[in-house]
Amino acid sequence: QSALTQPRSVSGSPGQSVTISCTGTSSDVGGYNYVSWYQQHPDKAPKLMIYDVSKRPSGVPDRFSGSKSGNTASLTISGLLAEDEADYYCCSYAGGPYVFGTGTKVTVL
Amino acid sequence: EVQLVESGGGLVKPGGSLRLSCAASGFAFSTAWMSWVRQAPGKGLEWVGRIKSKTDGGTTEYAAPVKGRFTISRDDSKNTLYVQMNSLKTEDTAVYYCTAIATGYFHRWGQGTLVTVSS
Repeated sequence: QSALTQPRSVSGSPGQSVTISCTGTSSDVGGYNYVSWYQQHPDKAPKLMIYDVSKRPSGVPDRFSGSKSGNTASLTISGLLAEDEADYYCCSYAGGPYVFGTGTKVTVL
Repeated sequence: EVQLVESGGGLVKPGGSLRLSCAASGFAFSTAWMSWVRQAPGKGLEWVGRIKSKTDGGTTEYAAPVKGRFTISRDDSKNTLYVQMNSLKTEDTAVYYCTAIATGYFHRWGQGTLVTVSS
């Protein structure tokens, strides 16, 4: 099972929107509506931000949104804040195993 | 409050063994599916394996790189998850996170424990 493909980095100014893509195959992203996204600050544990493609856990700001089209999922962060600067990982259920994305560093300029 | 606390990490030589533990509290551990996820230094997240609840069969599944070397188990009487790691390789060096799974996603994470495999 190969890792899902994410851009290495994206950046934006405070208040702007950024979108992170996550490309897999029909065996993972395209085959199930079980895509999730995790935020990880340096030396911290990952935190669930989006699950089931587009659902937000309690406490996650609605500035974070998720979507999927075919084999590619996306995470959009609107109204970028300094605290959003972190690494972001997508993950997909793959019919038994789970596969993570390669990770994207979000920089707030 | 949900808590997952890993322990047992450390330095081990290639070919050696180590057992990690994860003490769970604040939720119904016995009915939860649990998983281990690891992160090599400076690298991304990698799923290691998962165990279902006993009521759902208690079966395990593993990622290809650890299959046959790692064994995940649970003791519901102690609210504790384990992973026994044998025949360790240098590429197993990572922070190991204990996670609780809901269908399709990891909704609770521990703080992780570092395993270093080096001679």
